[in-house]
Amino acid sequence: DAMVIQNPRYQVTQFGKPVTLSCSQTLNHNVMYWYQQKSSQAPKLLFHYYDKDFNNEADTPDNFQSRRPNTSFCFLDIRSPGLGDAAMYLCATSSGTGHPYEQYFGPGTRLTVT
Amino acid sequence: GQNIDQPTEMTATEGAIVQINCTYQTSGFNGLFWYQQHAGEAPTFLSYNVLDGLEEKGRFSSFLSRSKGYSYLLLKELQMKDSASYLCAGMDSNYQLIWGAGTKLIIKP
Repeated sequence: DAMVIQNPRYQVTQFGKPVTLSCSQTLNHNVMYWYQQKSSQAPKLLFHYYDKDFNNEADTPDNFQSRRPNTSFCFLDIRSPGLGDAAMYLCATSSGTGHPYEQYFGPGTRLTVT
Repeated sequence: GQNIDQPTEMTATEGAIVQINCTYQTSGFNGLFWYQQHAGEAPTFLSYNVLDGLEEKGRFSSFLSRSKGYSYLLLKELQMKDSASYLCAGMDSNYQLIWGAGTKLIIKP
């Protein structure tokens, strides 16, 4: 089945220790998104790619970086995680063309910072 | 500014009907989405409205009024598995989703 895959599902890292979260998709979608979601809050868009065009949200901290080496894969790098970065990180994709621009989400990676 | 408002929490009884309201303000408008999110899981798509009116899909229906900046999600014949958060999201002129914080729906037997 076509899907969005995130690894790992649970990640524990130490304060200040760099961590990378990964996302892959078999939908062949042009657009990939990274969201941060804290408990009982709306998903917060960090970045998105339209093909290789990178779009950074204005309020995304510099501590967060992203890479998309090819259509299928996208990575989220947190250079120096702080306690406030503990959250669920959601990867999503959309075709980018034609309605309804529905976004398909991966299962998420829950990040704990100790 | 852009904003989505929806109630924080609602409670309903198994077998009943519940309506979750959402009001939105977006820069431009390319549709209104509803997603379901179970605790600790990713959001899953429920519905999309871009024209005024009611869209029905099984037990779930979604309504949109563009002139009022208003939508609702109607859930019929509630089941225990419908206990989840329901996220309303408006799509702006840049095709970006503006998300609400979600309505936590608690179903009681």
